[in-house]
Amino acid sequence: DTGVSQDPRHKITKRGQNVTFRCDPISEHNRLYWYRQTLGQGPEFLTYFQNEAQLEKSRLLSDRFSAERPKGSFSTLEIQRTEQGDSAMYLCASSPPDGYGYTFGSGTRLTVV
Amino acid sequence: QKEVEQNSGPLSVPEGAIASLNCTYSDRVSQSFFWYRQYSGKSPELIMSIYSNGDKEDGRFTAQLNKASQYVSLLIRDSQPSDSATYLCAVNDNYGQNFVFGPGTRLSVLP
Repeated sequence: DTGVSQDPRHKITKRGQNVTFRCDPISEHNRLYWYRQTLGQGPEFLTYFQNEAQLEKSRLLSDRFSAERPKGSFSTLEIQRTEQGDSAMYLCASSPPDGYGYTFGSGTRLTVV
Repeated sequence: QKEVEQNSGPLSVPEGAIASLNCTYSDRVSQSFFWYRQYSGKSPELIMSIYSNGDKEDGRFTAQLNKASQYVSLLIRDSQPSDSATYLCAVNDNYGQNFVFGPGTRLSVLP
């Protein structure tokens, strides 16, 4: 296993369009997290899965955002009706059952024009 | 609202010097503390974790934790130009499963 994989690496979309990102965690990690990072800021927590269950969602995750992890393996993050303020790096991380020592993926950089 | 604060920098040190990075946190129940390094355009990578008061050393890196003062620091000895990056402090309270990150301190090691 080569680590946490995210796809695509970059996405440019027009305002109002929908986008979907994918994250493949490390295979033995049952916990998966999504973060958003804007320039000059630390990552901000969006949501967390343990296996297929979405256990926690941040207030940052508006109604336009939805995340799934249908089989407890890969996860998708969808943003509907994108806005310019959604432009950011979207980071996925996974961790083993003890929850410590996140491993981040390379991220998906979203630009909304 | 849990908060993690760091000086944004940039912190500039000459090659071979000790770089000292500081972090304070607001939530007294915080139990786990982490330092991540992030190169420009890359994702964060874990450098150190610390859970108990005192010092923890790993190679050129030393993490220091003082829960009474709600303060955690990272010392980098014999700084190298390759250490130039943003250093993120992250805090976990054992109750939540997510981390709260600080804004990061940008370190520049001058050759």
